[in-house]
Amino acid sequence: DTGVSQNPRHKITKRGQNVTFRCDPISEHNRLYWYRQTLGQGPEFLTYFQNEAQLEKSRLLSDRFSAERPKGSFSTLEIQRTEQGDSAMYLCASSFETGSNSPLHFGNGTRLTVT
Amino acid sequence: DQQVKQNSPSLSVQEGRISILNCDYTNSMFDYFLWYKKYPAEGPTFLISISSIKDKNEDGRFTVFLNKSAKHLSLHIVPSQPGDSAVYFCAASAREYGNKLVFGAGTILRVKS
Repeated sequence: DTGVSQNPRHKITKRGQNVTFRCDPISEHNRLYWYRQTLGQGPEFLTYFQNEAQLEKSRLLSDRFSAERPKGSFSTLEIQRTEQGDSAMYLCASSFETGSNSPLHFGNGTRLTVT
Repeated sequence: DQQVKQNSPSLSVQEGRISILNCDYTNSMFDYFLWYKKYPAEGPTFLISISSIKDKNEDGRFTVFLNKSAKHLSLHIVPSQPGDSAVYFCAASAREYGNKLVFGAGTILRVKS
């Protein structure tokens, strides 16, 4: 399967703990996006990378959140000192930016539950 | 500030009939519009898209219509099949905003056999 891969699929953690999620995009894709989805809502943009450069971060992304894409391939999203409000589905997507429009391809997400 | 709105939380349609899902947007900078389909426990899957220079795009049973003056788009599924039952998200992007997608809240489609 050469789609977007996310690990782990599920994560349960206690409030105050740190968690890290990993995303492996489609190999030839140069853009990588992180989204968050809560029940009854559409995905909300968090941040995106072009190659290894983080180009934009949403105001939703507090300073407890950090994302990296060190070699322009896989990416990690870390949440420090988790809070119950962080419980959500975290989605990663990738695309090949050529200057013209192209759809984002999503992984199956990591579901985070903070107890 | 909800820039993309799907005002119908759910829609129920008989198998074989047409399903029409609607979406409105407020930002006139959006130049690319997409529909995604999502099954439980899976990520959104790209379905069909349309550029702002067009008013219609067709792919098999799926057609997307864009009315720029009304800032409205719709997805038509004909004929509807039980396997089409899923959550459908409308999304929009603008080159000026790095092509990141802004999503609506989704519409649950149920196709009854």
